[in-house]
Amino acid sequence: QVQLQESGPGLVKPSETLSLTCTVSGGSITNYFWNWIRQPPGQGLEWIGYIYHSGSTSYNPSLQSRVTILLDTSKNHFSLRLSSVTAADTAVYYCARRGYYMDVWGKGTTVTVSS
Amino acid sequence: QSALTQPASVSGSPGQSITISCTGTSSDVDAYNYVSWHQQHPGKAPKVMIYDVSHRPSGVSNRFSGSKSGNTASLTISGLQAEDEADYYCSSYTRSTVVFGGGTKLTVL
Repeated sequence: QVQLQESGPGLVKPSETLSLTCTVSGGSITNYFWNWIRQPPGQGLEWIGYIYHSGSTSYNPSLQSRVTILLDTSKNHFSLRLSSVTAADTAVYYCARRGYYMDVWGKGTTVTVSS
Repeated sequence: QSALTQPASVSGSPGQSITISCTGTSSDVDAYNYVSWHQQHPGKAPKVMIYDVSHRPSGVSNRFSGSKSGNTASLTISGLQAEDEADYYCSSYTRSTVVFGGGTKLTVL
C-alpha cells in the first residue's frame, strides 16, 4: 500500500526558501502526477503544482514565479521549494499522488513563516 | 485562475439528502469532465469521494453521487449520517493546472 510522508522544517524565516520533501513508500514514483497542495490555517485548499514522472511540471500561476518541484527517482521522493516566503505562506502542506484522481495523500506538515 | 465557487455551508438532518454546488467557468468545470469532490474531517488529510464528475472510488459509499451541468458541478449526499459532517471541496482540471473550490462546511443537525 502506497504511503506518502512529508518532511522538512516547521519554521521558516520571512524572505527565505521553504523546502519540503515527500517520500513515497510501498510503491514506485513512476507513472503518476505528484502534487503539492497547501491549506492556510482555517482556510481552504490551494493547489501548488505537480511533477509528472517524466519530469514535466505544472504550477499554480499565482505561485509560479516562486515555486520549484523536483523529482528524485533514485530516492523515490519529490520535493517542493518555495522562495521568498511571507507570513501568507504559513499553512499545512500536503503531498498527493494523482492517477485518475488524487488517491493517496500524506498526513500533511505544518510550516510557519515567522522571524 | 480563480477558485471555484461553493456555498460556505449547508446542513441537513440524518436521513435527508443535501446537494453542494461548485460553479466554475468555461475554462475549467465546463471544459473538462475532471471534477473531483474531496471530504476533509478536522485535522485530517482530504479524501476523494467523487472523481471525473460522477465516479466513486472503491470503498466510497453509494450515498455519494456527482453530476455536472455546464459550468456547475454538484455533489449529492443521500441518507445523511453523522459521519458525513465535514468540509467538502470540489476541484477541477484546467489548462494543465488544478483549481479548488473554497470549500463547504456540511453540518448534520
